[in-house]
Amino acid sequence: AQSVSQHNHHVILSEAASLELGCNYSYGGTVNLFWYVQYPGQHLQLLLKYFSGDPLVKGIKGFEAEFIKSKFSFNLRKPSVQWSDTAEYFCAVKGQNAGNMLTFGGGTRLMVKP
Amino acid sequence: DSGVTQTPKHLITATGQRVTLRCSPRSGDLSVYWYQQSLDQGLQFLIQYYNGEERAKGNILERFSAQQFPDLHSELNLSSLELGDSALYFCASSPQGTSSYEQYFGPGTRLTVT
Repeated sequence: AQSVSQHNHHVILSEAASLELGCNYSYGGTVNLFWYVQYPGQHLQLLLKYFSGDPLVKGIKGFEAEFIKSKFSFNLRKPSVQWSDTAEYFCAVKGQNAGNMLTFGGGTRLMVKP
Repeated sequence: DSGVTQTPKHLITATGQRVTLRCSPRSGDLSVYWYQQSLDQGLQFLIQYYNGEERAKGNILERFSAQQFPDLHSELNLSSLELGDSALYFCASSPQGTSSYEQYFGPGTRLTVT
């Protein structure tokens, strides 16, 4: 079975600080990896995804994530956060042979102080 | 706006009752996914339909069922409701049958069981 762990449940940063949100997954085979974001009062939307190729993936709004296979990690980063990045962030994994199930982590609530 | 609509937005009902949640996917999307988001369980995949047929099943209780109609809208039926069923229920859609593609999420239905 596949699982996802997000280490930080709550993160508080000041504007212009750098962000790194941890995501580790458990699955022995090939995976597709995703980061979704949920802004206050809005629906979940895709930030970025990794299928194959370059392990450094760039997404929308200046976010990027790095897939490190040896560490089973897919951490999300942003060099300089803005107040508008305040949201909940979800990491998700789909194992290639795990049926068609997308498994989400518990989410990380990010608050950016202006 | 993701293009996925869900009704109703809020639902308050009593234990033992039955409710139906409705989801209309984005135009052209053939897959519909249902998720449950609760404080203790996080975001959990329930079930997927693709072009009218069940494609994948996750942690869906036997008291819950879903279907997808010829016009591709989907309904999630929850019966014999318990207090623990109180949660936010999301629907998502995607063009293809595999969850390797981006899923577009609706705004959710907040169910409160009293």
